[in-house]
Amino acid sequence: QKEVEQDPGPLSVPEGAIVSLNCTYSNSAFQYFMWYRQYSRKGPELLMYTYSSGNKEDGRFTAQVDKSSKYISLFIRDSQPSDSATYLCAMSPPNSKLTFGKGITLSVRP
Amino acid sequence: DSGVTQTPKHLITATGQRVTLRCSPRSGDLSVYWYQQSLDQGLQFLIQYYNGEERAKGNILERFSAQQFPDLHSELNLSSLELGDSALYFCASSVRDSRSTGELFFGEGSRLTVL
Repeated sequence: QKEVEQDPGPLSVPEGAIVSLNCTYSNSAFQYFMWYRQYSRKGPELLMYTYSSGNKEDGRFTAQVDKSSKYISLFIRDSQPSDSATYLCAMSPPNSKLTFGKGITLSVRP
Repeated sequence: DSGVTQTPKHLITATGQRVTLRCSPRSGDLSVYWYQQSLDQGLQFLIQYYNGEERAKGNILERFSAQQFPDLHSELNLSSLELGDSALYFCASSVRDSRSTGELFFGEGSRLTVL
């Protein structure tokens, strides 16, 4: 079993839709959880960062962590064509390297 | 612009050859990480350097090596190239080393095609 599993996609939604992206993990030592966004022909950039279980909101983006279920989600409200990108979840134990999911490609149709 | 610079952006070479990828981290960042990204494997951690010293090793093949120089730039050397080495190679930098978790800043990658 891979340490981090991410829904494979791709995902295509109409503009304005609510998008839910999910990852599961197996390593109980993971304490830091991140979402990176990667536009075509670019490197990943950090979108959301959270440490504890619960929700963290930043504009149209909400990151949710459920450590008891080893499950994290990223919600995008009122999705825009500019949100079209690949989204990668990433996580790590304290003081250790990040492990990334394989990424899911999202396309938001105007 | 993340501030991390990678060269070359694109590289086409033949099997059995050797290439060097170069990375300049963000100003002030002491850690450099190398990742390989392919469609089937996703983003795979290869190796990390902190202030010139190797700090962590991931799924790096013996044919690959890296180093970080006193000016903090890093090079990833790939030798005896195989078709399966074709991938995007990313460099990332951060202020901290692996002893704490911090944001990684990625370059735009070097796309390697082995024919």
